[in-house]
Amino acid sequence: EPEVTQTPSHQVTQMGQEVILRCVPISNHLYFYWYRQILGQKVEFLVSFYNNEISEKSEIFDDQFSVERPDGSNFTLKIRSTKLEDSAMYFCASRVTGGKQYFGPGTRLTVT
Amino acid sequence: GQNIDQPTEMTATEGAIVQINCTYQTSGFNGLFWYQQHAGEAPTFLSYNVLDGLEEKGRFSSFLSRSKGYSYLLLKELQMKDSASYLCAVREGNYQLIWGAGTKLIIKP
Repeated sequence: EPEVTQTPSHQVTQMGQEVILRCVPISNHLYFYWYRQILGQKVEFLVSFYNNEISEKSEIFDDQFSVERPDGSNFTLKIRSTKLEDSAMYFCASRVTGGKQYFGPGTRLTVT
Repeated sequence: GQNIDQPTEMTATEGAIVQINCTYQTSGFNGLFWYQQHAGEAPTFLSYNVLDGLEEKGRFSSFLSRSKGYSYLLLKELQMKDSASYLCAVREGNYQLIWGAGTKLIIKP
């Protein structure tokens, strides 16, 4: 079965640095998502992307965050100036139409 | 406001049946999802209900009552590998999923 892939699996960065988390959604999927999950807490929606633009975003997704689909296969999440509280697991997901979202394995971001 | 409630933790015995409940209050409704999440891993899709009633898929079934804002996930013939967190999530509009905090299911031999 096709899979969503994410790189890196673990990223350690210093506070104030920029990070880019990368995702390759399943090739024929049309809707793309980023979620985060702070350790021990619930999954939180960050942003959805459809037809080359952001379709929805949460309050968490402020000016420090941006997404891109630069080349038709990759889907990236950039955090411009990381904060300690950005430490979390970041999941990318994609779907065709209908319900099921396929999740990538996640990137563990640690901000020190 | 948005609210999704599910029990924090449940314990069951291998081979038994367990029902995990989820109640929701959201401003819109466009489907309810159940995901399984093992510690340190990504959520994996279990079921999707958009109409009232029961959806059965092997050992797992999911029920939805939209008028009551209620769903449950039923797991039969429990196996040790079913020990995980079970996440209830509601799609309000076209895109965003609102997530419950998850129910940690502990299976004992």
